[in-house]
Amino acid sequence: SQKIEQNSEALNIQEGKTATLTCNYTNYSPAYLQWYRQDPGRGPVFLLLIRENEKEKRKERLKVTFDTTLKQSLFHITASQPADSATYLCALLGGGYNKLIFGAGTRLAVHP
Amino acid sequence: GAVVSQHPSWVICKSGTSVKIECRSLDFQATTMFWYRQFPKQSLMLMATSNEGSKATYEQGVEKDKFLINHASLTLSTLTVTSAHPEDSSFYICSAREPVQDNSPLHFGNGTRLTVT
Repeated sequence: SQKIEQNSEALNIQEGKTATLTCNYTNYSPAYLQWYRQDPGRGPVFLLLIRENEKEKRKERLKVTFDTTLKQSLFHITASQPADSATYLCALLGGGYNKLIFGAGTRLAVHP
Repeated sequence: GAVVSQHPSWVICKSGTSVKIECRSLDFQATTMFWYRQFPKQSLMLMATSNEGSKATYEQGVEKDKFLINHASLTLSTLTVTSAHPEDSSFYICSAREPVQDNSPLHFGNGTRLTVT
C-alpha cells in the first residue's frame, strides 16, 4: 500500500543547532515533493518544493534533499531558532486530480 | 502572495444541525479547491476535491451526502456538514492551487474548528 512516513516523535533540539527531519514514502513515484510548516490551530504554509531531478534545494536556512532511490526526503533547518518550532509536513502528489497527500508531520521544538 | 480565506474559524453546533464552512481565494481564481480534515496530532486527510461548475470528487470513505460541497464560482467553495454528530468534530481546512502548474504549492485557509455537542 502507499505510505508517507514521518517520524511521529517530536524532535527537540537546542537553539543554533541543525534540525533534520525525514520523510519516507512507499509505492509512490512522485515527480516532486513539497514541505509545509503548520502551527497549532492554523493551516499549513508552503516552504519548499523539490523535483525528482533535483538532489538538493535551498531557501535561506532551509535545505531539502530528495533521493528517489531511497524514496526519501530530508528537511534541514540550520541555525535553528525557537520561532522554528512547529510541525513540518511533507507532501507529494498521489493519484488523480492533482491531489496532494500529506505525511503525518514531525513536531519540532527548538529550545533556547 | 496568494491568500485563501476560510470562515468561520471555529463553530460549535448541536448534534443534528448543519454547518456551512466557506473557503475563498482572495486574489486568484481557483478552478479546483481541496477540503481536508485533521484530527489532533494526525495528518491532513483529503476529503474531497471541489471543482468549479461540476460535482465534487470525494475520497473513499467520505460520505458525499453528509459533506456537501458546492463550488459555484472561481473564488468560493463551501463545505456543509449535514446532520452533524460529535464524531464529526474536527479541524477542517480548505486549500487551493493557483492555476499555473500541477506542481504549484497549495495555499491553505486557516481552518475551521468544528465542535458538535
